[in-house]
Formats: sequence, C-alpha cells, structure tokens
Amino acid sequence: QKEVEQNSGPLSVPEGAIASLNCTYSDRGSQSFFWYRQYSGKSPELIMFIYSNGDKEDGRFTAQLNKASQYVSLLIRDSQPSDSATYLCAVNTDTDKLIFGTGTRLQVFP
Amino acid sequence: DGGITQSPKYLFRKEGQNVTLSCEQNLNHDAMYWYRQDPGQGLRLIYYSQIVNDFQKGDIAEGYSVSREKKESFPLTVTSAQKNPTAFYLCASTEFGTDSNQPQHFGDGTRLSIL
Repeated sequence: QKEVEQNSGPLSVPEGAIASLNCTYSDRGSQSFFWYRQYSGKSPELIMFIYSNGDKEDGRFTAQLNKASQYVSLLIRDSQPSDSATYLCAVNTDTDKLIFGTGTRLQVFP
Repeated sequence: DGGITQSPKYLFRKEGQNVTLSCEQNLNHDAMYWYRQDPGQGLRLIYYSQIVNDFQKGDIAEGYSVSREKKESFPLTVTSAQKNPTAFYLCASTEFGTDSNQPQHFGDGTRLSIL
C-alpha cells in the first residue's frame, strides 16, 4: 500500500526560528509533491508544490525534494505565531491520485 | 471571486437518513473530488470526476454516491448505508482533468455529525 508518513508533532519552535517539517513516501514513481497548511477547523490551503530534486523557494517557505531518499521537506524561515497550524504533505501516485499524510502540527510560540 | 463553495457548513444526520452535501465551483475546472477527513487521519478519497456524467470510486466509496450533471457541480450523498458518517468532508478541484501532477484546491468543507 502506498503511504505518506509524517511525524504528528507537535513541533514547537520559537518565533523567528526555522521550522523544519518532514515527509517520506513509499511510491518510487511519485513525481509531484505538495504542501498544504490547515488551520484548526478549516480546509487545507496549498502552500508549495515541487516536482524536481532540489530546493524551491517562495518567500519564507522552501520545499526540498530528494527522490533517491524518497523524502520531501518544508522549511519555514522566520516562523511567526500565525504559522501555527497542521501541515499536510501530499504525493501523487501512478494511479493519478494524491495520497495525503496525516499532518504535522506546528506550534510557534512568542 | 472564483472559488469552490461547499454547503452547508454544518450538517446533522438522523439515523436512516440520506443527506446531500453541495459542492459548486466557478473556476471552470475539469475535475472534482470528494475527500473525508477524520481526526488524526489524512484525507481519504471518496469519489472523483474528470468530466460531466462520469465519476470514479475512490478508496472509501461504500455508503456514498455522487453525480456530475453539470461541470460546476459535484454533490455528494451520504446514504444510510454509511454507518460512521461523522467527519469533515472536503471538495476539491483541478483545472485539467485528473492529472495528479496538478495541485488540488479545496472548498471550506462541510462538517457532518450524527444526531
């Protein structure tokens, strides 16, 4: 069964620090990787997507992909209390579906 | 504003009752999806549709039904056969078919509870 694994957390970081969120996946054929942010009681919101090995930066967010290690991460620089949320990793499969991880809860404290 | 509208925001179901959750999009997206989210679990795919009058079962379709009579609308019916319907239901869409290389965009969700 194809899986996406995330540490459930909570990951606690102080304001201004770098938060590092990690995700591993089992399907070697996966080509597309997505990070969603979900505030409590709300729907997921797309933050980043990455298709190629390496880093992709967008503002304070950097997605990192290593297909050989089947590992994708999200770095949040200068973390703010408003970044406190659950971050979902999603990975595509060869059946054209997305598999979602269970999410990592991030807490940024002042 | 373009987007995906789900209604109602909260819904209560009585024993033996069917209920229908609405999902409408004005993005002119081809594909639409329904997911279920339970506490501490990832999103699980219920049904998806690539084009009008066509839809496919996802991983947990039992106890649910859908229709796609119009491009912009993809309602989900939770039937009485779904014995554990309490969950957060999310509708999503993608612009070009069900190519999973595209990001999916979500509506605000419907929270369904049993009375």
